[in-house]
Amino acid sequence: DIVLTQSPVTLSLSPGERASLSCRASQSVNNYLAWYQQKPGQAPRLLIYDSSTRATDIPARFSGSGSGTDFTLTISRLEPEDFAVYYCQQRSDWSPTFGGGTRVEIK
Amino acid sequence: QVQLVQSGAVVKKPGASMKVSCKASGYTFVSYVMHWLRQAPGQSPEWMGWINAGSGNTKYSKKFQGRITMTRDTSATTAYMELSSLRSDDTAVYFCARGTAARLYQFDYWGQGTQVAVSS
Repeated sequence: DIVLTQSPVTLSLSPGERASLSCRASQSVNNYLAWYQQKPGQAPRLLIYDSSTRATDIPARFSGSGSGTDFTLTISRLEPEDFAVYYCQQRSDWSPTFGGGTRVEIK
Repeated sequence: QVQLVQSGAVVKKPGASMKVSCKASGYTFVSYVMHWLRQAPGQSPEWMGWINAGSGNTKYSKKFQGRITMTRDTSATTAYMELSSLRSDDTAVYFCARGTAARLYQFDYWGQGTQVAVSS
């Protein structure tokens, strides 16, 4: 299975600041990389797919980049509702896997 | 709007089986794949398998082969996931999630989750 490593584990920031989250794959996943947001007690929500395409109704402050093995999710200016856990997920092969997650917490 | 509504929380004893349902609405059920994933406490989601809601074809993660069965009822637009020989490490929240033909292993809509506890 392809292993996805996310960093940092926790990101402490203030509202209005910029957040950059990293996801590294153990082998190339081309651009078949998605990002999800999960809040406590809720299901994950698809934010970004194919590395850089925003899903339906996702605000423009969320952007994704990268290809191959290195990917980044950027939140340009954190809103109060953005404090959550973020997961990357690859669909490069028939056994999709998720990263360990990055928690974005209020500083 | 697309909605996936799952059945309620369950408690099971080790060795038992459990079956979770996922009622779909707001889209053409038979045109999509339904995935099942689970998330143990404090862990990332884990993919378990999918069922093609139109054909009924299935594909399961190797980890669960032999003790997982996915079915669907097209008239009720409902998918089901049954897991047998339950162990304590099967305690998790189980999710259904929709996948598309264009991006099969991408989960664009999710159910609310079903808490399953396995305890003697």
